[in-house]
Amino acid sequence: AQKITQTQPGMFVQEKEAVTLDCTYDTSDQSYGLFWYKQPSSGEMIFLIYQGSYDEQNATEGRYSLNFQKARKSANLVISASQLGDSAMYFCAMREGPTGNQFYFGTGTSLTVIP
Amino acid sequence: DSGVTQTPKHLITATGQRVTLRCSPRSGDLSVYWYQQSLDQGLQFLIHYYNGEERAKGNILERFSAQQFPDLHSELNLSSLELGDSALYFCASSDNLLGYEQYFGPGTRLTVT
Repeated sequence: AQKITQTQPGMFVQEKEAVTLDCTYDTSDQSYGLFWYKQPSSGEMIFLIYQGSYDEQNATEGRYSLNFQKARKSANLVISASQLGDSAMYFCAMREGPTGNQFYFGTGTSLTVIP
Repeated sequence: DSGVTQTPKHLITATGQRVTLRCSPRSGDLSVYWYQQSLDQGLQFLIHYYNGEERAKGNILERFSAQQFPDLHSELNLSSLELGDSALYFCASSDNLLGYEQYFGPGTRLTVT
């Protein structure tokens, strides 16, 4: 089974609108963490947001928020007020294990912001 | 600029050869992670070092090895290279053991011909 599943290969959003990028994960560990990264066409990987499995509040960082639904094993990224510069590939990732962590990445979602 | 540096930016080499990729983490970061990004395999975690000690191994081939030196820079050694090793190799660093908020370097693009 895939550890991280991103079912949306491509998404389009109008500038200034909000968009949700889906991510589901699979783990039997109690301690894990979920990440989102952005990869623009230039190729660098940019850390966006992190959610620990024991965090009770959803993580937020500026225009990014992580909609963490533990029972459903989903960790969707919400980008509010989309900007043209948000056009990029977005990867969901998971850290598994309290020590000796393993990291797993999804296949990514390509987001295009339309003016 | 993430503060993580990787050299070289590009590397072209032949099958069977050996190469070394270098990574300098952000100042103060003790953790270094190596990842491989290829079209067919996607992003894969290779290995994690914390303060000079190997902490976790992911999908790292036996032909690959890494180390982290006392000054905290890290090197990833790839030997007996095959065409399938062509990929973008990222190094990332963080200031903690759990690996949240990792900062990625610009990557080394390896092409094996």
